[in-house]
Order: sequence, then C-alpha cells, then structure tokens
Amino acid sequence: DAGVIQSPRHEVTEMGQEVTLRCKPISGHNSLFWYRQTMMRGLELLIYFNNNVPIDDSGMPEDRFSAKMPNASFSTLKIQPSEPRDSAVYFCASRRQGPFSGNTIYFGEGSWLTVV
Amino acid sequence: KQEVTQIPAALSVPEGENLVLNCSFTDSAIYNLQWFRQDPGKGLTSLLLIQSSQREQTSGRLNASLDKSSGRSTLYIAASQPGDSATYLCAVAHQGGKLIFGQGTELSVKS
Repeated sequence: DAGVIQSPRHEVTEMGQEVTLRCKPISGHNSLFWYRQTMMRGLELLIYFNNNVPIDDSGMPEDRFSAKMPNASFSTLKIQPSEPRDSAVYFCASRRQGPFSGNTIYFGEGSWLTVV
Repeated sequence: KQEVTQIPAALSVPEGENLVLNCSFTDSAIYNLQWFRQDPGKGLTSLLLIQSSQREQTSGRLNASLDKSSGRSTLYIAASQPGDSATYLCAVAHQGGKLIFGQGTELSVKS
C-alpha cells in the first residue's frame, strides 16, 4: 500500500498568492482529515470528510481556507489569498471508518508551506 | 470542549532506562485513544490504539494503558534505545471521528 500521498511536499509562496495542497488517501479508506501543525499550536484539525462529505469544518480558520473532496481518492485544501501566518505543515490523514475497522488513522508526510 | 495535555513536554533519558509518558483528557466520553510517534520532518505513525472498552494494549517494548474514568493514559517504553528518540503524541477520538491531539512529548534517548 502506498500510504497517504500528499503534494507538494514543500512550497514557498508570496503573500497573496493562492496555494493548493493535494491529498490521495489510502484506497478503501472512507474518512479523510486535514490537520495543520505549528510549534505554537501543535496539531489542529481543520476539516474532515466521511464518504466524501464534509462532517466538521469548525477548525477552518477563516474564509480564506476551503477544502473539497470530489471523489473517494482525492482531496484539496486551498488557501486564497495566503498570508505569512499560514506558514505551517499541513497533514492529510485517512481512515477506514466502520464498526470492525479498528479505526487506526494513517498520516501522509505533510506539505511544508512557507508564505513570505 | 475536549482538551488533551501531555506531560512532560520534553524528556531526556540514558539508553536502557524504562520510561513513562503521560496523557490526560478532560472529556471521558471518548471512542478510543491512540499514541503516535513523529520523527523530525515526517508525518505521524500510529503506535497503539486503545478502544474505550479496553484497559491496555501492548506492542513489543511499548505498553499503553487507559483509565477513562480519570481521563488518563500512559505510554510505557521498556529498555529505551536511541532509535526511540522522537516526539510522542496522544490523541483521543470521539464517535463522530474527530481526533484531538495533545502537544506531544519530545523524547531524547542518549547512548
């Protein structure tokens, strides 16, 4: 299994530019999570999907952030316009949600975003 | 609102020592609790998952316990090795699927 795949791994962009982060979950997993990690705030859940439907987006910091999951094998997290305080590592994670699945969650390697 | 706290924030021990990492949570209505390891520049790797009905889980030199009523979990690492150096995070899950993480304990094992 290839695991959760994220792209890009690293991105440096200028303030005001649009940033799109991509995630391919593990095949067969039906829950997908976007997290942000910073030194100050640790790991914060931004949004998660079950069966491609957003369940809880209360962690999305503001309207500049949006996330989509058009199908079971792809999700995007978009920041428009980006600001320096958005600099962080963004993790995507997936899990097979169900009564007999064990509920172990698997993380991608992260997208390291720097906004200058 | 669920809050997860990990103590200590950082720990340095000599190789071979047994150690305990602590995790506490404020809302005991959890579905499960997971312990993760994170190496610098990497994602998180799941180590152990304890369902709410379980008291402990073991994997090799790792043992995790859960006391839901008191809102506590511990991760015990036996005979620590330099390769165990990493940040260890605990996370609690509620039935809706949401995982809330602690800030982590940064462990350094000196040879």
